Amino acid sequence: DAKTTQPPSMDCAEGRAANLPCNHSTISGNEYVYWYRQIHSQGPQYIIHGLKNNETNEMASLIITEDRKSSTLILPHATLRDTAVYYCIVRVAPAYRATDSWGKLQFGAGTQVVVTP
Amino acid sequence: GAGVSQSPSNKVTEKGKDVELRCDPISGHTALYWYRQSLGQGLEFLIYFQGNSAPDKSGLPSDRFSAERTGGSVSTLTIQRTQQEDSAVYLCASSQHRAVKNIQYFGAGTRLSVL
Repeated sequence: DAKTTQPPSMDCAEGRAANLPCNHSTISGNEYVYWYRQIHSQGPQYIIHGLKNNETNEMASLIITEDRKSSTLILPHATLRDTAVYYCIVRVAPAYRATDSWGKLQFGAGTQVVVTP
Repeated sequence: GAGVSQSPSNKVTEKGKDVELRCDPISGHTALYWYRQSLGQGLEFLIYFQGNSAPDKSGLPSDRFSAERTGGSVSTLTIQRTQQEDSAVYLCASSQHRAVKNIQYFGAGTRLSVL
């Protein structure tokens, strides 16, 4: 799976949009971009994923550049509960994987997001 | 239950003792994963189960670590002759096999402390 690069930390004011960047310049055509977050003392939580089109759900929006070499996770109105480590992960879609390598997530260091009042 | 359940939530043991950590995945999820997170470190993949078989054990750090899954449901991670470097949070996740999204749902983890 392609490697990702994220800033180690960022601050965001409560109520403002948080824009989290991720570089994945070696991404290949059958790899998706996934975002998870981990709130302190909890297990990681899925946020959103996409291939090449922008995606939006109830938690966030995902903007993927046209060349797919980078993406941005947008939390539209950050709250204090959004304070967490955010992980950008690139991985091959299940349909393209060999059975013995299917499924595992490779987490990097992520971005520590602190939302302040 | 509604989510992935892990037990115990905390485990303190003495160096050299064996420990067993349990994971109850979401009902119907055939894929199960174990990860661990050492203090200040990222999440590290340990092993992946599809049904009762483990096609990917590449992350198990040594032969002191083993895992099994029975009935396509509950999984147990066993650490024999624990060492202080085994201290970490052990996380379990489950997902639907071959689902398009392949979302992994994580439990809250077991915090293992080896004294």
